[in-house]
This record gives sequence, structure tokens and C-alpha cells, in this order.
Amino acid sequence: AQSVTQPDIHITVSEGASLELRCNYSYGATPYLFWYVQSPGQGLQLLLKYFSGDTLVQGIKGFEAEFKRSQSSFNLRKPSVHWSDAAEYFCAVGARGTDKLIFGTGTRLQVFP
Amino acid sequence: EPEVTQTPSHQVTQMGQEVILRCVPISNHLYFYWYRQILGQKVEFLVSFYNNEISEKSEIFDDQFSVERPDGSNFTLKIRSTKLEDSAMYFCASRGTGGTSQPQHFGDGTRLSIL
Repeated sequence: AQSVTQPDIHITVSEGASLELRCNYSYGATPYLFWYVQSPGQGLQLLLKYFSGDTLVQGIKGFEAEFKRSQSSFNLRKPSVHWSDAAEYFCAVGARGTDKLIFGTGTRLQVFP
Repeated sequence: EPEVTQTPSHQVTQMGQEVILRCVPISNHLYFYWYRQILGQKVEFLVSFYNNEISEKSEIFDDQFSVERPDGSNFTLKIRSTKLEDSAMYFCASRGTGGTSQPQHFGDGTRLSIL
């Protein structure tokens, strides 16, 4: 069965610091991978997606993620975090033959000035 | 940019009552979904809907739940007899054509509180 693990429940960084949020998935073939962000009281906004091709994908708000098949990972990165990036980040996996997304438990990002 | 809109933003209902959550998907999208997020837990898939039929549903989506597209723009989730454990944030999502690699676009959610 598909599953997604986000090992970090809560991360705190200083504004301007770099960021990496971890995501590991379990799936027999190459999945479709997504990162969503949820600001307080808001819905889920798509940051970026991977489904084939270049393993480094660029998203909105300066985020990028790298798909590493050997590590079953799809980590989200940003070189310099802004205070407005404080939110909850969800990694999700989809698969061929099914239309549902499986979400990780999320990582709450706190940004200090 | 087109958005998925959900109403109401917050619904408070007595246990045992019926509740209908409403969603207006993005206008040219044909695939629709409901997910829920119990406070402090992960987002969970409930059901997917295409061509006026349920495509897939999770074990959570039992006989208490139903979905409907009553007209060309709305997509609803009905819970017939609510339980305390139905308290959660419910998200509607929609997707365009192009296969399941296309992203699902989510609304801001309806917070359902069962008393």
C-alpha cells in the first residue's frame, strides 16, 4: 500500500536561512508526488509536482523539490526562507490507476525574524 | 486564477442531524473529490467522483455519506446522521483532464463541528 512519511513534525528556522523538509514515500512504481502548503485557516495550495522527467522540479514561491528514486524521497527545499513561509507543509503521493492522494502527516514550519 | 469555493466555512450541527457541505469546483474541471482532516491528523481521502458516478471511495466513506452533483456547478457531500467523530475539516478538490498526474486543486475547507 502507498504511504507517505514526513519525519519532522515541527521545524523552526530563522528568516533568511535555508530550508529542507523531508518526505519519504512507499510505492512499488514511480508515483506522482506533490507538495502542498496550508496557511492557518486556509486550504491546501499546490507548491509543485513531479510525475516524470527532470528529477528537480521548481515550484511557486521559490520552492524546489528533488525526486530521488534510490531513497524514495521527495524533499522540499528553499534557499532563503521568508516569514510568510510559516505554514504547514504536506507531501502527497498519487499513483497510476487510482485518483486519490495519500498525504503525509505534515510539517509545521515556524520562522523567526 | 480559478478557485474551488466551499460553503459554509464553518458548520455547527447537533449529533444525529443531517448536514450538507457544498463546493463549487473549478468550472472546466470534471473530476471531483472530498477529503477530511480531523484536528491534528493527516488529510484523508474520502471519495472521488466523475461523470456523475463515484470512481473510488475509502473505507471511511460508509453509508452515512453520499455525494451529488445536483447541477452543472455544485458538488455536495451529505452526512445523513452525524456523529461526534465526524467533526473535522472537509476539503473539496477538483482536477482537470490529462490524467491523475494533474494536480488536484483544493478549496479552503468547511470546518464541521458536531455537538
